[in-house]
Amino acid sequence: EVQLVESGGGLVQPGGSLRLSCSASGFTLTTYAMHWVRQAPGKGLEFVSAISSSGGSTYYADSVKDRFTISRDNSKNTVHLQMSSLRPEDTAIYYCVTRGDYYVYDHWGQGILVTVSS
Amino acid sequence: DIQMTQSPSSLSASVGDRVTVTCRAGQNVRSYLNWYQQKVGRAPRLLIYAASNLQSGVPSRFSGSGSGTDFTLTISSLQPEDFATYYCQQSFSTPYTFGQGTKLEIK
Repeated sequence: EVQLVESGGGLVQPGGSLRLSCSASGFTLTTYAMHWVRQAPGKGLEFVSAISSSGGSTYYADSVKDRFTISRDNSKNTVHLQMSSLRPEDTAIYYCVTRGDYYVYDHWGQGILVTVSS
Repeated sequence: DIQMTQSPSSLSASVGDRVTVTCRAGQNVRSYLNWYQQKVGRAPRLLIYAASNLQSGVPSRFSGSGSGTDFTLTISSLQPEDFATYYCQQSFSTPYTFGQGTKLEIK
């Protein structure tokens, strides 16, 4: 069974940092580009960041560029999102997703809550 | 970024009704249009990919159509478990952008 499990979320003060991790099981992560998508409380879905299957290419939403860094460790079947200079507007549930065939988000993690507040 | 606009934002319907949700892209996305269903407190689930292809395991009462800039999601006969929020998404170009969502509620 394909499973993605996010970890590392929590409460952080504005200006602080957090590192999210996404662990994959039931499949080989190396075959997938991986994305992070977030959802602010009561709001819609927003693309955050993407990394190619090899890790050689990355992409960021303008709202997080220069503050967030995506990386992957294919040997550990894990993807990370390093978040720094966090702002209250970064408060959201963060989902780790696989980008499958036909450029779709075919597998989602359960999501992890990040709260940025003093 | 490609803007995606869904209508309506919310919709009240009854079990057994036929329901249609529309999605308009700000530019031509060919058939790179996907639909997701999200229930409260859950991660989204892929329903339709490439505009009209049903994801494995999704009931056949769901269907999608369209290409270019105008797309529709149709539920032929609403079931109690279909009451949720639906999102369209373009995957023609990064960043993959979503519509604002359509909340389907019980009448």
